Amino acid sequence: DTGVSQDPRHKITKRGQNVTFRCDPISEHNRLYWYRQTLGQGPEFLTYFQNEAQLEKSRLLSDRFSAERPKGSFSTLEIQRTEQGDSAMYLCASSLIAENTEAFFGQGTRLTVV
Amino acid sequence: AQKITQTQPGMFVQEKEAVTLDCTYDTSDPSYGLFWYKQPSSGEMIFLIYQGSYDQQNATEGRYSLNFQKARKSANLVISASQLGDSAMYFCAMRGVSGNTGKLIFGQGTTLQVKP
Repeated sequence: DTGVSQDPRHKITKRGQNVTFRCDPISEHNRLYWYRQTLGQGPEFLTYFQNEAQLEKSRLLSDRFSAERPKGSFSTLEIQRTEQGDSAMYLCASSLIAENTEAFFGQGTRLTVV
Repeated sequence: AQKITQTQPGMFVQEKEAVTLDCTYDTSDPSYGLFWYKQPSSGEMIFLIYQGSYDQQNATEGRYSLNFQKARKSANLVISASQLGDSAMYFCAMRGVSGNTGKLIFGQGTTLQVKP
């Protein structure tokens, strides 16, 4: 297993278009997280899955955002009707359930809305 | 609510010298974990070191050590013998136990530049 992978690495889209990002976690990890990071800031939590169940969503996750993790494997994050304020790095991470284990991050998808 | 504060937006250090990156936190959870991550310009977050709130000893991982002062709610990262490859953004993060979500709360980060 080579770690968490995200696709695409970069996405440029026009305002109003829909975009979808994919995350493939480390295979044995039960938990999968999505974070958003704007320039010069730390990542902010968006949502998380334990297996296929989406257990928490941040208030940052407006109704234009939806995430899925079918079958508890890969996950997708879709943004509908993109806005310029959605421009950011979207990071995916996965971890085991144990309290003292670290989360492993992917390289992120950088979204630019023009 | 949980909060992480990193008050140093940028730091410089001479190659081969040690540097301390500050982190203070606030939480009402009785049990929590503290993490440091490195983010190079490529964007990937790289785990460096972990400290549990009930750990008696400060965590160490190679050139990285965590100066954990629970009463002061601080968890400073010490990098010894800095290398040019240490130039990156560094984030302190906290995971609380309440709710058992495992989500991380990050600070604003500190940009470290190592001078040759």
